[in-house]
Amino acid sequence: GAVVSQHPSRVICKSGTSVKIECRSLDFQATTMFWYRQFPKQSLMLMATSNEGSKATYEQGVEKDKFLINHASLTLSTLTVTSAHPEDSSFYICSARDRRGGIGSPLHFGNGTRLTVT
Amino acid sequence: GENVEQHPSTLSVQEGDSAVIKCTYSDSASNYFPWYKQELGKRPQLIIDIRSNVGEKKDQRIAVTLNKTAKHFSLHITETQPEDSAVYFCAASNGGGSYIPTFGRGTSLIVHP
Repeated sequence: GAVVSQHPSRVICKSGTSVKIECRSLDFQATTMFWYRQFPKQSLMLMATSNEGSKATYEQGVEKDKFLINHASLTLSTLTVTSAHPEDSSFYICSARDRRGGIGSPLHFGNGTRLTVT
Repeated sequence: GENVEQHPSTLSVQEGDSAVIKCTYSDSASNYFPWYKQELGKRPQLIIDIRSNVGEKKDQRIAVTLNKTAKHFSLHITETQPEDSAVYFCAASNGGGSYIPTFGRGTSLIVHP
């Protein structure tokens, strides 16, 4: 089945530093990838839609200068949390849709990244 | 935009019992409804989905029903097992052409052996 690899799985960083999270589709191509944030015992909150070769589309309330998204190829999207602060600590998870499946096909999720900012 | 309500937030059942999770959506143009299972610390995984041209779909112990008129859909798990314990999320596509799903808040299902 379709596999999405996300790295790192866990990261601890100091306040003020930047952290990059990678999301790769291993056996399919994805023109669109999605980045979610999940707080404990809460739902998946869409942060942004990453579009290959173009700018990401951010949801209302998400700072695009803080959460930089790059989708340089059909198999890789990256999320960089810039100047991280403790309130950015969360579980970040990406997902991707196989371009062959069309826009109504299911999402395949990465394993998530647990970010802790000290 | 789309709004998805999911109930209950927590569901506790005995092994062998059935479990039902219900969701409602607001956008009548939504036409794709997936269900995801997320075990603790792991990724959400698609377990079943339904499109608006179908009223019910079954896959072994799991079934999903859809009522387009009432704009609600439900997940039914029969003969529950301890390994069914997880958080279940419903979702509805936004129907605006991009099919970005809007997720419900999740249901924590606990199956007691």
